[in-house]
Amino acid sequence: AQSVAQPEDQVNVAEGNPLTVKCTYSVSGNPYLFWYVQYPNRGLQFLLKYITGDNLVKGSYGFEAEFNKSQTSFHLKKPSALVSDSALYFCAVRASGFQKLVFGTGTRLLVSP
Amino acid sequence: DGGITQSPKYLFRKEGQNVTLSCEQNLNHDAMYWYRQDPGQGLRLIYYSQIVNDFQKGDIAEGYSVSREKKESFPLTVTSAQKNPTAFYLCASSIGQGANEQYFGPGTRLTVT
Repeated sequence: AQSVAQPEDQVNVAEGNPLTVKCTYSVSGNPYLFWYVQYPNRGLQFLLKYITGDNLVKGSYGFEAEFNKSQTSFHLKKPSALVSDSALYFCAVRASGFQKLVFGTGTRLLVSP
Repeated sequence: DGGITQSPKYLFRKEGQNVTLSCEQNLNHDAMYWYRQDPGQGLRLIYYSQIVNDFQKGDIAEGYSVSREKKESFPLTVTSAQKNPTAFYLCASSIGQGANEQYFGPGTRLTVT
């Protein structure tokens, strides 16, 4: 069975500091991994995905994520946080050959001025 | 949220009434999905459809029904059999399965009293 864990309910960071939002996954076979962001009372916006190849994936709004197969992790990172990055972030995984996308429970990111 | 519309944004119903949530996309995507979002639980898949006139149950289909008569439309009916219908409902679409990301609508917040 596929599963995703986001171990932190909330991450606090000061503006200008680097941020990391953690995600670990469990699948049989090769994973497709995704990060989405959700602002209050809005739908989810796609940030980036890993399919294959380079372990460092770059996405929208300066975000990037690092795929680590041995640690089964796909942490979201940004070198310098903005107050406007404050939102709810979801990691998701789909095993190749499977149809369903499984989401984590989300991590709330709060960036203070 | 571009390309997928959900209406209405807020919906209020009395217990025991069926209610239909609208989802329309103009992205020419084959696959469409309905998710339910509750605080602290992430997104849970209700139904999905890979092609017109075909759909499959997700993880929490009980008390819900869908139809897919047109490629661009995937309405969700919340029936009176759904025990706890108050939630935020999200519709999504994708080009296909596999590594393709899903695009989300803005959501409908349903409150049943």
